Amino acid sequence: GAVVSQHPSRVICKSGTSVKIECRSLDFQATTMFWYRQFPKQSLMLMATSNEGSKATYEQGVEKDKFLINHASLTLSTLTVTSAHPEDSSFYICSASDRHYGYTFGSGTRLTVV
Amino acid sequence: GQNIDQPTEMTATEGAIVQINCTYQTSGFNGLFWYQQHAGEAPTFLSYNVLDGLEEKGRFSSFLSRSKGYSYLLLKELQMKDSASYLCAVRHNDYKLSFGAGTTVTVRA
Repeated sequence: GAVVSQHPSRVICKSGTSVKIECRSLDFQATTMFWYRQFPKQSLMLMATSNEGSKATYEQGVEKDKFLINHASLTLSTLTVTSAHPEDSSFYICSASDRHYGYTFGSGTRLTVV
Repeated sequence: GQNIDQPTEMTATEGAIVQINCTYQTSGFNGLFWYQQHAGEAPTFLSYNVLDGLEEKGRFSSFLSRSKGYSYLLLKELQMKDSASYLCAVRHNDYKLSFGAGTTVTVRA
């Protein structure tokens, strides 16, 4: 079946630094990648959608200059949280989509900003 | 916009049946998914409905009524490992998913 590898699984960073999260589709080509954020006991909230080779589209209220998304190839998308602050601490999950496999989720990244 | 409502918590006994309801109000409906999520892990796919009716898959079944904006996930012969959060997600015509807040199911021995 389809697998999406997401790294790192956990990261702790200092306030003001940047963190990069990678998602790779291992055995299929992800035409679209969705990035979500999930706070404890809350729903997954869509942050942005990216298609290979084009700029990401961001949901209302998500700062595109703070959450940089790159989808340079059909198998790799990255999310960079720039100038992270404690309120950015959350669980970030990617989801890759193609016509055959539907939606395949990465294993998530627990970000803690101290 | 969309509202997706599901109960916050449910508790059931091992071997029993539990039904998790989900109601939604949305424009551009293009299917409904159910996912299972254990704490700190990614959601895993359980079922998908786009037409009205019941989809059965082993111990799990899912039902959809588009006219009522209603779905349920039925878990039979509950096992301890079924303790998890269950997420209802609506797909829109632009292929984006909107998730409910999830229902935490606790299975007791």
